[in-house]
Amino acid sequence: EVQLLESGGGLIQPGGSLRLSCAVSGFTFKNYAMGWVRQAPGRGLEWVAAISGSGGRTYYADSVKGRFTISRDNSRNTLYLQMNSLRAEDTALYYCAKDRALIIVASFDYWGQGIQVTVSS
Amino acid sequence: DIQMTQSPSSLSASVGDRVTITCRASQSISSFLTWYQQKPGKVPKLLIYGASSLQSGVPSRFSGSGSGTDFTLTISSLQPEDFASYYCQQSYSTPYTFGQGTKLQIK
Repeated sequence: EVQLLESGGGLIQPGGSLRLSCAVSGFTFKNYAMGWVRQAPGRGLEWVAAISGSGGRTYYADSVKGRFTISRDNSRNTLYLQMNSLRAEDTALYYCAKDRALIIVASFDYWGQGIQVTVSS
Repeated sequence: DIQMTQSPSSLSASVGDRVTITCRASQSISSFLTWYQQKPGKVPKLLIYGASSLQSGVPSRFSGSGSGTDFTLTISSLQPEDFASYYCQQSYSTPYTFGQGTKLQIK
């Protein structure tokens, strides 16, 4: 059974940093690209970042470029999202998601339950 | 950036109805289009990828079509469990933008 479990969220002040983790099981992690998608309260889905299976390619939404870093540790079956210089508009439920292929096709067939990030003073 | 526009934003329909949701891209995205379903408080579910390929386990009443800039998601006969929000997403070029969503409600 495929499982994705996010952790590391919480309440953080503007300008602060958080690192989200996503521990996965049930599939060969290194063989699939991964991504992060977020959803602000009452809003739609927003793609945030993606990383290839090897970790060699990464892509970001314009709204987070230069502030967020996606990475992965294939030996630990874990995906990360380092979030710096957080803003109120980053407040959202962050989903970790498995892509359908090794390369980034940004078509996500499995999703975690999501982790809440709230940026507020 | 490629803008994805869904229509309608909301829709009321009855069980058994045939429903079509449209997604339009601001430029051609070939067939790099995915459809998701999301129920309130739940995780998004992949329905259709590559514009028209049905994800394993998804009922055959769901179908997708289109290429270039215009795409449709069709539910051939609405079931009670289909009332949800639906999102399209392009994966032709980064950023991989979503449409704003279509909320399908019971009439």
